Amino acid sequence: GENVEQHPSTLSVQEGDSAVIKCTYSDSASNYFPWYKQELGKRPQLIIDIRSNVGEKKDQRIAVTLNKTAKHFSLHITETQPEDSAVYFCAASSTGNQFYFGTGTSLTVIP
Amino acid sequence: GAVVSQHPSWVICKSGTSVKIECRSLDFQATTMFWYRQFPKQSLMLMATSNEGSKATYEQGVEKDKFLINHASLTLSTLTVTSAHPEDSSFYICSASRAVGANVLTFGAGSRLTVL
Repeated sequence: GENVEQHPSTLSVQEGDSAVIKCTYSDSASNYFPWYKQELGKRPQLIIDIRSNVGEKKDQRIAVTLNKTAKHFSLHITETQPEDSAVYFCAASSTGNQFYFGTGTSLTVIP
Repeated sequence: GAVVSQHPSWVICKSGTSVKIECRSLDFQATTMFWYRQFPKQSLMLMATSNEGSKATYEQGVEKDKFLINHASLTLSTLTVTSAHPEDSSFYICSASRAVGANVLTFGAGSRLTVL
């Protein structure tokens, strides 16, 4: 099956700085890559996603890039704010029916 | 928007008892539901994929007889942890997909199971 690796496991940045989280996947058939934000004790929330026919997608302060050849994709958060502090998960799916998650990145934005 | 309700949000039980967790899609029909387990500060581990009207597909290493999944209707899937033991204590989260290959997942709020 698919194996998704995520780095770093923890990340601390100063407010206003950028944060980058990277994921790699193993299954070349994977074609959909969502990113989820999970606040403590709450459900994961989809924040952005990208499909394999696109190399980059941006939504305000959040962007995702995908390199199909290298099988890696990254989440970029610019102008970070304290409310961005949470655990972020990347995921990969080939069928749209099974999603495999990365190990998570705990992001702390220091005011 | 799509809403998935999960119940109970927290359950404490004695070792050896069975616990049922429900996952309901409130405003859409979910052909597929997924069950995940999450340990503190760890990732979501896919346990099984539940399709309405058919047997669930379990991930490698997940005991089918331990974690019984039933997807009796297009809006309800249940996870029963049978003969629960302290090591089964965890956060269980379900998610639902509107259609096959729909890609977008909607998550339930999760159920925290504590086995004494």
